[in-house]
Order: sequence, then structure tokens, then C-alpha cells
Amino acid sequence: GENVEQHPSTLSVQEGDSAVIKCTYSDSASNYFPWYKQELGKRPQLIIDIRSNVGEKKDQRIAVTLNKTAKHFSLHITETQPEDSAVYFCASTYTGRRALTFGSGTRLQVQP
Amino acid sequence: DTAVSQTPKYLVTQMGNDKSIKCEQNLGHDTMYWYKQDSKKFLKIMFSYNNKELIINETVPNRFSPKSPDKAHLNLHINSLELGDSAVYFCASSPTTGLDTQYFGPGTRLTVL
Repeated sequence: GENVEQHPSTLSVQEGDSAVIKCTYSDSASNYFPWYKQELGKRPQLIIDIRSNVGEKKDQRIAVTLNKTAKHFSLHITETQPEDSAVYFCASTYTGRRALTFGSGTRLQVQP
Repeated sequence: DTAVSQTPKYLVTQMGNDKSIKCEQNLGHDTMYWYKQDSKKFLKIMFSYNNKELIINETVPNRFSPKSPDKAHLNLHINSLELGDSAVYFCASSPTTGLDTQYFGPGTRLTVL
């Protein structure tokens, strides 16, 4: 089955710096790659997603890139703010599967 | 209005007991899910239902039995609870395609003593 590896497991940055989280997937059939943010004690919430027919997508300070050949996708957060502190999960799935396979999560801490 | 709701929020029980968690969504979605988040925060799919039909059962012990009375509700019943069942259980829903946003419920923290 699909396996998603996520790195790093923890990331500490200074406010205003950029943060990058990387994921690798195993199933070449995967064609949908969302990123979820989970604040402490809260539910995961989608922050951005990308489909396999595009290589990059941006939404304000957040961007996701996809390299289908290498089976890599990454989350980029620019101008980090303390409220960006949370656990971020990458995930993948493919048409018809109807479930996400999540990475192991990255705890991002933004130091003021 | 709460899009995906779960009850109860917290559940503390003894080993060997049977318990249920209820989930409801008012988004009109066709697909609902149960995920388990363990103490290391790892999120793993347990079940997926589409229009009341079981689609995915990810090698979950048969002590766990989901039930979907209609497409807006998905309940989870757990028999003979074990210590290792302690986790946060999240319900989620999404529109039919599966390649779109999944909306998660607030989670149910189950503690088995």
C-alpha cells in the first residue's frame, strides 16, 4: 500500500523566517496531495492541496511544490508567524481510494 | 453551525468494556471516515463509507464495528476495549470524489484504564 514519509519531525524557526517540510510518497498512482494543519488539541484542517497535473500552487504565504518524477512534494511557509506553530501533516491518495495516507507529521515552532 | 460533530468529546473507560462514538455531518457529503490518531500523533485511516456502504476497512480488529444508518451519520462501536485502543478518534467527511477536502470532526479522546 501507499507509504508517505515526512521530514523533519520537528522544526523550529524564528518569526519571519521560512519553513520547508518535505514528503515522499511511494505509489506512483497517487494524484492528490493535501496538507493539513493541526493546532494543539484541535482537529486537522486543510491548508493547501495540489493535484498531479500541476507542479506548484501558492496561497498567500503558503506554497506547495510537487515533483512527480521523484515522488516528492513540499510545503513552504514564508514570513512565519507565531500562529503558524502547529503540527503539519502531508497526505496522499489516488482516484477511487477514498482515504488519505498521512505522513508522520512535523511539529513547527515559530519563535517570536 | 458545526459541519462535522462527534460525541462524546472525552471517553474514559475500563478494559473489557464496550463503547460507542457517534458522528454526524451536515455538509451533504457522500463519504465519511474514521481515523485513529495515536499518542505519537500519527493519523491512520480505519474505515471509509460511501453512501452507507463500507469502502475501506484498513486491517482494523473486528472488535471495531462501524455503522452508517444514513449518509449523514457514521458511528463507531468498540467491543472489549484494550489499553492499546487509547487514542483520539476523528470522524471526517468529504464530497464524493475523494480527491478533495476532508472535513474533520473535533475528535473523541478515548482513554482505556
